[in-house]
Amino acid sequence: ETGVTQSPTHLIKTRGQQVTLRCSSQSGHNTVSWYQQALGQGPQFIFQYYREEENGRGNFPPRFSGLQFPNYSSELNVNALELDDSALYLCASSLDPKSYGYTFGSGTRLTVV
Amino acid sequence: AQSVTQLGSHVSVSEGALVLLRCNYSSSVPPYLFWYVQYPNQGLQLLLKYTTGATLVKGINGFEAEFKKSETSFHLTKPSAHMSDAAEYFCAVSASGGSEKLVFGKGTKLTVNP
Repeated sequence: ETGVTQSPTHLIKTRGQQVTLRCSSQSGHNTVSWYQQALGQGPQFIFQYYREEENGRGNFPPRFSGLQFPNYSSELNVNALELDDSALYLCASSLDPKSYGYTFGSGTRLTVV
Repeated sequence: AQSVTQLGSHVSVSEGALVLLRCNYSSSVPPYLFWYVQYPNQGLQLLLKYTTGATLVKGINGFEAEFKKSETSFHLTKPSAHMSDAAEYFCAVSASGGSEKLVFGKGTKLTVNP
C-alpha cells in the first residue's frame, strides 16, 4: 500500500502561465478529490472524480480543471495563473468516502510570481 | 450547506496536560465529522471520524472526540499532551448524503511546551 503520491512537490510559475499537478491515488481507490490550502487557512474543495467522471465541484473558476485516468490517477490543471493561486494543493483518494474517509497526499506547493 | 468553526487559532499546553481543541459545525443534514492533523510541510492525516453510532469516537495517538448533536460540537481531546502532538489540527464536516466533499475549519495550531 503506497499511499497517495503527488508530483511535483514544489513548483514556481509566472502569472499567466499554465500548470499541471499530478496525483497517484492509493491502490484501488476510485475516488479522488483536490483541495487548495492557502497559507494559514484550511483546505478548500476544488473538485472530485469518481471512476473518471467529475461528481462534485467547489467554488472555483473554470480555469481550474481536472482529469481522472482509468488507473484512477488524476491531474489538476490551472490556466492563466494568478498570484492568489499560490497555495498548497492537496490530493485525496478513497475507496468509499462515507465508510473510510480520505487518504491525503503531502501536496504540491505552488508559488506564482 | 455545511460549515465548521474552530475556536482558537492557537492553543498552547504543557507536556502532560489535557489537550482540548474545539470544533462547532453547521449542517442541514446529519453530518459526518472528521479530525485531521497536519505536520509541517506534510499532508493531512486522519485522526478520527464520526459517521453514525457511538458518539464518543476514539482515534489514533490517544485522541478522542465526542459528537454532541444538541451543541453541534465535535471537540477533540487527549488526556496527556506529548511533544510530538505539536501540529495543526483541522476539523471537517461532510454531508451524510450526496456529495462527500469535506468542508474544513481554519485550523488550530497546537504548541506543546516542555
